[in-house]
Amino acid sequence: QKEVEQDPGPLSVPEGAIVSLNCTYSNSAFQYFMWYRQYSRKGPELLMYTYSSGNKEDGRFTAQVDKSSKYISLFIRDSQPSDSATYLCAMSGETSGSRLTFGEGTQLTVNP
Amino acid sequence: NAGVTQTPKFQVLKTGQSMTLQCAQDMNHEYMSWYRQDPGMGLRLIHYSVGAGITDQGEVPNGYNVSRSTTEDFPLRLLSAAPSQTSVYFCASSFTVSEKLFFGSGTQLSVL
Repeated sequence: QKEVEQDPGPLSVPEGAIVSLNCTYSNSAFQYFMWYRQYSRKGPELLMYTYSSGNKEDGRFTAQVDKSSKYISLFIRDSQPSDSATYLCAMSGETSGSRLTFGEGTQLTVNP
Repeated sequence: NAGVTQTPKFQVLKTGQSMTLQCAQDMNHEYMSWYRQDPGMGLRLIHYSVGAGITDQGEVPNGYNVSRSTTEDFPLRLLSAAPSQTSVYFCASSFTVSEKLFFGSGTQLSVL
């Protein structure tokens, strides 16, 4: 069983929709939670970074972490065609630092 | 500021050949790492380094070798290429182990 589970999609939504992306995990030692965005044929780029439980908002993006349920989410409001990409969740523990464990990634397409 | 630079972008090898994937960063980052990305598997850590002269194994190190003689460079060597090593390889770096990762644009490798 994978430590981090993420629905690979693909997910297709109309422009302006609210998008919800999710990951579940099994390792209770994970403390740092991240979302990376990866455009086709490019390297991942950090989108959101959260430590422990709670919510974090950055413009149209909101990251939520529920450690009691081992569940993290990324919400995208007013989605745009430029948001079309693969979104990867990633997490690490206190001692592993940047040794990230990634989800498989969810492929998102926002249609004009 | 170039960030993380990977070369080559594409490479085709025959089984048994050896080659080196190059990675260089100009951000004075101490931490560097190599990941491979495969469909259905997400990104998996191959090797990492917390500073010049220090390297360690990640999740999938077999068949790969690394060295870190300078802060800037972290090459990945394939000793005897196998079809199972067909993948997209990403180099990443961060200022310290606990900081957020910056990724290169990747090397697409095919082993025939």
